Amino acid sequence: DAGITQSPRHKVTETGTPVTLRCHQTENHRYMYWYRQDPGHGLRLIHYSYGVKDTDKGEVSDGYSVSRSKTEDFLLTLESATSSQTSVYFCAISRGEAISYEQYFGPGTRLTVT
Amino acid sequence: QQPVQSPQAVILREGEDAVINCSSSKALYSVHWYRQKHGEAPVFLMILLKGGEQKGHEKISASFNEKKQQSSLYLTASQLSYSGTYFCGTEAGGMRFGAGTRLTVKP
Repeated sequence: DAGITQSPRHKVTETGTPVTLRCHQTENHRYMYWYRQDPGHGLRLIHYSYGVKDTDKGEVSDGYSVSRSKTEDFLLTLESATSSQTSVYFCAISRGEAISYEQYFGPGTRLTVT
Repeated sequence: QQPVQSPQAVILREGEDAVINCSSSKALYSVHWYRQKHGEAPVFLMILLKGGEQKGHEKISASFNEKKQQSSLYLTASQLSYSGTYFCGTEAGGMRFGAGTRLTVKP
């Protein structure tokens, strides 16, 4: 257990509305990640952070923004949700000072955009 | 850029062995392996680093061929608890995961 929580765990929202997902960790790890998981695609990296206010894009970042104002919190925002963003979203941390360390995942958020 | 896993699915009897392969078109520094059970988060199994260092699971082994940009996960004497979807992950401007291999172990 890496002390990672995600909120909300389930959310249904309408197309065009903004949505923010929160990832919270209790162990002060520097690296945090947001992934989405869809059938047939495995896990795809949306954004990641390597410190407070330090973030970078992943392979599927369009339509998403992130913020990290505190070490323990990493927020993922869908500015205007679309049906293609219906997915399961996982937050993860690295227990090390680089990507080359094992990652531990939060329990996930199931988002449905209608 | 996503690594390619094979096979997509495999069904075993308890006690049988399985191999899951992961290949990349890019040079690899490390390969990660994770297992995910239905409805749960992925769980770390193993990481293999360039140069031969390996960290991870005590009952599952893996190999990493840097020249061929391939890794294989070896599940020996499989148990029912091994069932799940296995993902490999590689580093390429952030982590890239394969589409997964669904492993089913039957009694």
